[in-house]
Amino acid sequence: AQSVTQLDSHVSVSEGTPVLLRCNYSSSYSPSLFWYVQHPNKGLQLLLKYTSAATLVKGINGFEAEFKKSETSFHLTKPSAHMSDAAEYFCVVRPLNAGNNRKLIWGLGTSLAVNP
Amino acid sequence: DTAVSQTPKYLVTQMGNDKSIKCEQNLGHDTMYWYKQDSKKFLKIMFSYNNKELIINETVPNRFSPKSPDKAHLNLHINSLELGDSAVYFCASSPGGGVDTQYFGPGTRLTVL
Repeated sequence: AQSVTQLDSHVSVSEGTPVLLRCNYSSSYSPSLFWYVQHPNKGLQLLLKYTSAATLVKGINGFEAEFKKSETSFHLTKPSAHMSDAAEYFCVVRPLNAGNNRKLIWGLGTSLAVNP
Repeated sequence: DTAVSQTPKYLVTQMGNDKSIKCEQNLGHDTMYWYKQDSKKFLKIMFSYNNKELIINETVPNRFSPKSPDKAHLNLHINSLELGDSAVYFCASSPGGGVDTQYFGPGTRLTVL
């Protein structure tokens, strides 16, 4: 069975400090992996995605994530948090065996707070 | 030139009413989706259409009926609204053909009183 676990429901950092949002997945097949961000009262925006190319993926707004197959992880990082990064972050998995089934498996989200 | 648009943005209605939410994408994508996001931010897929054909239908009450008149539109009609239907509903689209990035609309906040 496929699943995705975001290990922290809430993360709080100070502005200018590093951000780490953790995500582990379970998949019988090589997956595609995504991080989406949702700012308060806004829609969902793709931050970055991994699709079996380079394991270190760079996204928008200075975020990046590293696919580690041995650890079944896809943690999201940013070297220096900005106040505007405060949002809800979702880790998403799509198993590549899914064929025409375009169903994504969504994590429960991590709420990132950035303190001045 | 909004990519995925939804109307209305806010919808407040009484229990028992019937309402529709419209979604349009101008990205030329083949696949469209409806998601429900509850108050705890949990995102759950409801339906997916590919070229007007239903391909994903999660366990959703049959009071919810999606309609896709063409591949650029996927509307959601809800009959006999209940309190538990209050949520934010997101429409999304993706190119299809194995390219899976989904592009989301701004959401429709439905409140059932």
